Parts: sequence; C-alpha cells; structure tokens
Amino acid sequence: AQSVTQLGSHVSVSEGALVLLRCNYSSSVPPYLFWYVQYPNQGLQLLLKYTTGATLVKGINGFEAEFKKSETSFHLTKPSAHMSDAAEYFCAVSGSGGYQKVTFGTGTKLQVIP
Amino acid sequence: KAGVTQTPRYLIKTRGQQVTLSCSPISGHRSVSWYQQTPGQGLQFLFEYFSETQRNKGNFPGRFSGRQFSNSRSEMNVSTLELGDSALYLCASSSMAGGDTQYFGPGTRLTVL
Repeated sequence: AQSVTQLGSHVSVSEGALVLLRCNYSSSVPPYLFWYVQYPNQGLQLLLKYTTGATLVKGINGFEAEFKKSETSFHLTKPSAHMSDAAEYFCAVSGSGGYQKVTFGTGTKLQVIP
Repeated sequence: KAGVTQTPRYLIKTRGQQVTLSCSPISGHRSVSWYQQTPGQGLQFLFEYFSETQRNKGNFPGRFSGRQFSNSRSEMNVSTLELGDSALYLCASSSMAGGDTQYFGPGTRLTVL
C-alpha cells in the first residue's frame, strides 16, 4: 500500500521568495517519487522524479526536491518564485518495479504575489 | 514525438447517457492510465492498461470501463452517466507499466447535465 500527503492545499509566496511545497509519502516498497505541475485547463507535466541514486533531484524550471528516507519526505523547492510558477503541484509515489500503481497527492495550488 | 492526444476535448451529456473517451499515447508507449480529476476529490486513478491488459484498477463502479487496442490506443467508457461524473478525465502514457514517468494528455472535460 502507498499514499501521499501534501501539506497545504494552498500556498502563497511573494515573487522572488523561496518556494517550499511539502510532500510526505508512505510505501511498503522502495518508492519512486514524482512532482508534476498542472497549469489551468491543461494536463500534468513532469517536473522531476526520484528513482534511485542521488537523493537531491533537479528538475525543470529551477525546481528541485530532496528524497529523505528517514523522514519519508520529498519536498519541492525553488529558491526564487516567478509569476509563471503559479499553478497546481502534485506529488506522486509509485513502488519500484513493474506494474506498480502511481498514487497522487491531493495537490497544492501555488499563488505568487507580485 | 507527438504528445498524448485525447478526444474529444469537451463533451456535454445528460444523465443516463453513456460516453466514450479516446486516448492516443506517445508512439512506442505501451502503458495507458486513466484518471478522473474533480475539485472535491482531486486526481483519482481509474485504471491502467499495458499491452491490451488491465494491470491496475482504482475504486470506481463498474459503470467505468476501458480497453486498449493493439496499437496502444485506449478508450474509456462510462455508462449510465450521473451528475457526479462531471470531471476532467486525464489520460497518461508511459513506456513501462507503473512506476515510470507518465506523460499526460490535455484531458477531456465531461459535463453531465
């Protein structure tokens, strides 16, 4: 069984401020972890993913996330928010190996204040 | 490579009708997953097909069904539509079954009146 918890359904930051979106997961097997972004009226787009190896993962648009096994966390960060970052962000977990279902969190809407 | 395409993009139906949504995955991808997205329930997994076989299924009633063809294209069918079926239906494809990066289509917006 696996699950994802995203803390905060809405997060507001000022333009230029640090973005921190929180994600905690549970998984009975070594996890694969993902962050996706969704802009209005569009599908989801992959930002970054962790499978194995380096625990700090860099993604597109300046985002990065760190896999912390001891904390079962995979928080998403960006040093300086841009207006174009306003969107909904989804954390997802999957078990490693084949035929593993992907479970998504409930999403966090990021608002960037000019 | 062309991305995931979904047709139609918008659909309006009335209660009791049935609907079929179509998804064409990225060329070479053999896995197709379907999700229902609503403001209240978020993103909920419907089912996943890999090489024409349903590999995983979410907790939806039997009114929701799907299939995958030999060219990996997939269809999702909802029978006896209810008002609560109004949602954005997203299709995602990946090269492997489960655990792999999923590439999402733009979705089909279904409105049930």
